[in-house]
Amino acid sequence: GQQVMQIPQYQHVQEGEDFTTYCNSSTTLSNIQWYKQRPGGHPVFLIQLVKSGEVKKQKRLTFQFGEAKKNSSLHITATQTTDVGTYFCAGPGTGGFKTIFGAGTRLFVKA
Amino acid sequence: DTEVTQTPKHLVMGMTNKKSLKCEQHMGHRAMYWYKQKAKKPPELMFVYSYEKLSINESVPSRFSPECPNSSLLNLHLHALQPEDSALYLCASSQNTGYSGYTFGSGTRLTVV
Repeated sequence: GQQVMQIPQYQHVQEGEDFTTYCNSSTTLSNIQWYKQRPGGHPVFLIQLVKSGEVKKQKRLTFQFGEAKKNSSLHITATQTTDVGTYFCAGPGTGGFKTIFGAGTRLFVKA
Repeated sequence: DTEVTQTPKHLVMGMTNKKSLKCEQHMGHRAMYWYKQKAKKPPELMFVYSYEKLSINESVPSRFSPECPNSSLLNLHLHALQPEDSALYLCASSQNTGYSGYTFGSGTRLTVV
């Protein structure tokens, strides 16, 4: 079935450093979504990308969708301790009508 | 109201018990979902309801039985669970099953003893 591969699995950064997580698919994606899950919390929807080459920004977060719509990235500029959590990309499953999550990237930020 | 409410937040049940998880949303969303999440793993899809009808069952064992009484409510009935079923059970909703982000509830942390 449809799978999105996400790397890295973990990332430790010093507060103020940048962070990027990548999501890749072997097939073209109609859309990709990004979620954040704080420790002990639930996934929170961040954004959805639909268009080829799309770039969207939310304050210090920059989301990109590749030209071929097979990959995506989330970049955080100047991380803060509030950025700690797991970031998931999610894409449509086989046949559509459902969203399948990547493995997630756990971000640790040291103050 | 932009929330998905799940009850209970925590549940401990024996392997012979019958219990139900409840989920409610008042955003007018027409798609609702059950996900299961183990520690340090991504959410894993279990069921999809679209317009109150079950549209996807991801080969979930019959000891999990979903129910959608109306467009705002989603239940998950549990019976004869195994210890390996212990997990965080997340309910989510979206405007439809197409291109729309999911709103997740805070989940029910289930422990089967």
